[in-house]
Amino acid sequence: NAGVTQTPKFQVLKTGQSMTLQCAQDMNHNSMYWYRQDPGMGLRLIYYSASEGTTDKGEVPNGYNVSRLNKREFSLRLESAAPSQTSVYFCASSEVGSGTEAFFGQGTRLTVV
Amino acid sequence: AQSVTQLGSHVSVSEGALVLLRCNYSSSVPPYLFWYVQYPNQGLQLLLKYTSAATLVKGINGFEAEFKKSETSFHLTKPSAHMSDAAEYFCAVSDYKLSFGAGTTVTVRA
Repeated sequence: NAGVTQTPKFQVLKTGQSMTLQCAQDMNHNSMYWYRQDPGMGLRLIYYSASEGTTDKGEVPNGYNVSRLNKREFSLRLESAAPSQTSVYFCASSEVGSGTEAFFGQGTRLTVV
Repeated sequence: AQSVTQLGSHVSVSEGALVLLRCNYSSSVPPYLFWYVQYPNQGLQLLLKYTSAATLVKGINGFEAEFKKSETSFHLTKPSAHMSDAAEYFCAVSDYKLSFGAGTTVTVRA
């Protein structure tokens, strides 16, 4: 089982460049999430999508956009990368309902120079 | 909004000693609570979850957590640490989205 797949695993960008992080899940989950992980700050929610066709802002949405392309795929776009966006990004998915477990991808390590 | 606070960013234990990781939650309603573990350069994996069925929750790898409403706590324990328990541990709370604490890094001394 693939679970949640993120691409790429590593990326180096120059300030001002744009890129899209891809995420796909094969568990037929309705909800999908993008988090960033920084030392000492845990995982902070960037955007989430409760179902296909809907997206909502999380704690730290500035500088990011998302697209829920279909039920399987949820992409995160950086339009103009900044050094403050250097981080490890995780995509996750879960079934609807607050008590359900979220499944995580392996992460994308992004460095903006 | 619901939130969790993890007390202690780093815990060091001897192999065979008790592991205790602290988590307090803030919620106006009974929460759904989780503990996740992250091994180096990997994603997060669920250790256990509380969904109000029982206050003492058993998880994988010998971990368990006790929900205490009076203390708004959901501390994680393991009676005897193993070298393989070295990792980062996250407490999380869920309403319509999943919110995490800042994490606690566990190191295990031989």
